Amino acid sequence: ETGVTQTPRHLVMGMTNKKSLKCEQHLGHNAMYWYKQSAKKPLELMFVYSLEERVENNSVPSRFSPECPNSSHLFLHLHTLQPEDSALYLCASSRGLAGGPTFTDTQYFGPGTRLTVL
Amino acid sequence: AQTVTQSQPEMSVQEAETVTLSCTYDTSENNYYLFWYKQPPSRQMILVIRQEAYKQQNATENRFSVNFQKAAKSFSLKISDSQLGDTAMYFCASNTNAGKSTFGDGTTLTVKP
Repeated sequence: ETGVTQTPRHLVMGMTNKKSLKCEQHLGHNAMYWYKQSAKKPLELMFVYSLEERVENNSVPSRFSPECPNSSHLFLHLHTLQPEDSALYLCASSRGLAGGPTFTDTQYFGPGTRLTVL
Repeated sequence: AQTVTQSQPEMSVQEAETVTLSCTYDTSENNYYLFWYKQPPSRQMILVIRQEAYKQQNATENRFSVNFQKAAKSFSLKISDSQLGDTAMYFCASNTNAGKSTFGDGTTLTVKP
C-alpha cells in the first residue's frame, strides 16, 4: 500500500489554525483527487487535478485551498475550519490523460487523513 | 447528471456463504465503466472489480463477480465463499466518458464467523 501516501494520518486543529494535508503518488499518474468522507455523506468529491491543472471544483468552501505543484504531489491547505469539517480526507490518483481523467480510469486511494476540528 | 444508488446501508453474511450487494445507476452516456471498491476498517480503499458497459459478459475476479444488467441499469456484486477479510464498506461507482466519477453511499458488509 505505498502507491498513494498521505500525511499526516491524524490531525487535530482549532478553528483558527492553518494546516496542510499532503498527498504523494508514486504511480506515474496524471490525475489526482481530494475526497471528503464523513458519516453523513460517505464520499464527496472536492477537487480534481490533471497535470497540475484544476479540472473540477465541486462547490467547496474557500477555507479549503488545493495546490498541485507537480503531477506527483497534491496539497490541501486548511484555514479557519468549522467543526463540521471534521472527517476523513482521502486523496486518490488515476492514470488520466492530458485533458483529464478518462472513463476507463481506476482510482487508487491513499489511507486518508483523519481530521478533527475543535 | 449521473447517480449511483446503493439501497443496502448494511448487510451481514456468515463465513463461507454467498452475499449479493445491490447497485443501480443512472446515466445518459453510452460509454462508461462501473466499479466496485472495497474499504476495509482503517485501511485503504481498493478496487475489487470493474465492468466495461459495452461488454455483455459479466466481470469476474476470483470469488467476486458482478451481475451487470445494462437495460435495467443494475450492477450488483456477488461475493462467494465469504471470508472474514471481506468485512468492509463497499462502494459502487461509475465513470462517464468525460472521466467524471460518481460514487454510491456505500454498503457496510460484515462477515460473521
